[in-house]
Amino acid sequence: GDSVTQMEGPVTLSEEAFLTINCTYTATGYPSLFWYVQYPGEGLQLLLKATKADDKGSNKGFEATYRKETTSFHLEKGSVQVSDSAVYFCALSDRRGYSTLTFGKGTMLLVSP
Amino acid sequence: GAGVSQSPSNKVTEKGKDVELRCDPISGHTALYWYRQSLGQGLEFLIYFQGNSAPDKSGLPSDRFSAERTGGSVSTLTIQRTQQEDSAVYLCASSWTSGGQETQYFGPGTRLLVL
Repeated sequence: GDSVTQMEGPVTLSEEAFLTINCTYTATGYPSLFWYVQYPGEGLQLLLKATKADDKGSNKGFEATYRKETTSFHLEKGSVQVSDSAVYFCALSDRRGYSTLTFGKGTMLLVSP
Repeated sequence: GAGVSQSPSNKVTEKGKDVELRCDPISGHTALYWYRQSLGQGLEFLIYFQGNSAPDKSGLPSDRFSAERTGGSVSTLTIQRTQQEDSAVYLCASSWTSGGQETQYFGPGTRLLVL
């Protein structure tokens, strides 16, 4: 079945540091890929998505590129802020038919001033 | 409202009691999903609705769990004879359609604690 593997956290960075959170996936079809973010005390929010190979999703300074050859969708940001502290979830949905999301375990990011 | 809403936000119940969790999706969204977020299992899919039908119930962990959706809108997730392992945050999401590229919009969740 489909699965998503993302790096375990917590990831601890200083403000303005470069961020990478690795995500790899296994899917039988051609999935759409998503990054969701959960800020403390809040619900899941879509951060960015990509629906086909080589697409780059971007939002709020975050980027991720859909790499079919390496089955990866790594999240990057050039300069993190304290306000980016949250849990980040990589997810996929099978593009055939309906689309339940398969999530990774989540990676907690802690950014200190 | 503008987003997906869920009620109650928190629920504490005793083992063996029944609970009902409610989800109001974004108006016009035809697809509705329930997920469960727990410390040990992460985020797990429970059930999917397209309109009032539930084509996929494969994620429901036992026959104590059931869900319905009426009028293509509000959905209720019912857990009968609750057990301590049911303690989790129950998340509802909706999307315009059920296609794989559609973005799912999540509600704030209901935090369930079974004592």
